[in-house]
Amino acid sequence: DTGVSQNPRHKITKRGQNVTFRCDPISEHNRLYWYRQTLGQGPEFLTYFQNEAQLEKSRLLSDRFSAERPKGSFSTLEIQRTEQGDSAMYLCASSRRGEQETQYFGPGTRLLVL
Amino acid sequence: GENVEQHPSTLSVQEGDSAVIKCTYSDSASNYFPWYKQELGKGPQLIIDIRSNVGEKKDQRIAVTLNKTAKHFSLHITETQPEDSAVYFCAASSKEGGSQGNLIFGKGTKLSVKP
Repeated sequence: DTGVSQNPRHKITKRGQNVTFRCDPISEHNRLYWYRQTLGQGPEFLTYFQNEAQLEKSRLLSDRFSAERPKGSFSTLEIQRTEQGDSAMYLCASSRRGEQETQYFGPGTRLLVL
Repeated sequence: GENVEQHPSTLSVQEGDSAVIKCTYSDSASNYFPWYKQELGKGPQLIIDIRSNVGEKKDQRIAVTLNKTAKHFSLHITETQPEDSAVYFCAASSKEGGSQGNLIFGKGTKLSVKP
């Protein structure tokens, strides 16, 4: 069990550029979640997948955000036309069948939009 | 929707003392309450959790209590050590709109343990 991994760990981009983050969940965890965390706040839910199906999206997930989990393993989160307000830590978590609510987080990707 | 309030926002204790962090939630349908520890530059680490059919759970120096009637739950850390210094988050499972499993987090408590 190597834990949830995320890449890159840090990303600096200019406003208007597109960015993509990757999350590899714990092996055999069927659920994968994306959260966003801004400074001094707790994580806020964005979306989650069960296997390859995206089952829920938060109102925070604007149409500039898209997430995929094509084969039910790793997931990508893309932000198009980034804005300064997108600067945050993007966290991925996973959970396994039978203990769906017990979520294990990765180290996060810290995004800075200049 | 579910709302989780966490207090205090900062807590400073002497090494060896106990620390208590309290949270309240609004949705009586919530039934799962985890606690996470987050160190600087790292992701949240699950340290203990409790389900609504249990009133208390303990793991070595850490314990969590749940009062379903009052809709509040607390984290207790005994014999604190400097390495316990971190930000602690409580969370509650959201059942709004048939949601299954996403967590609503409090704003965090920054715990400092002074040697």
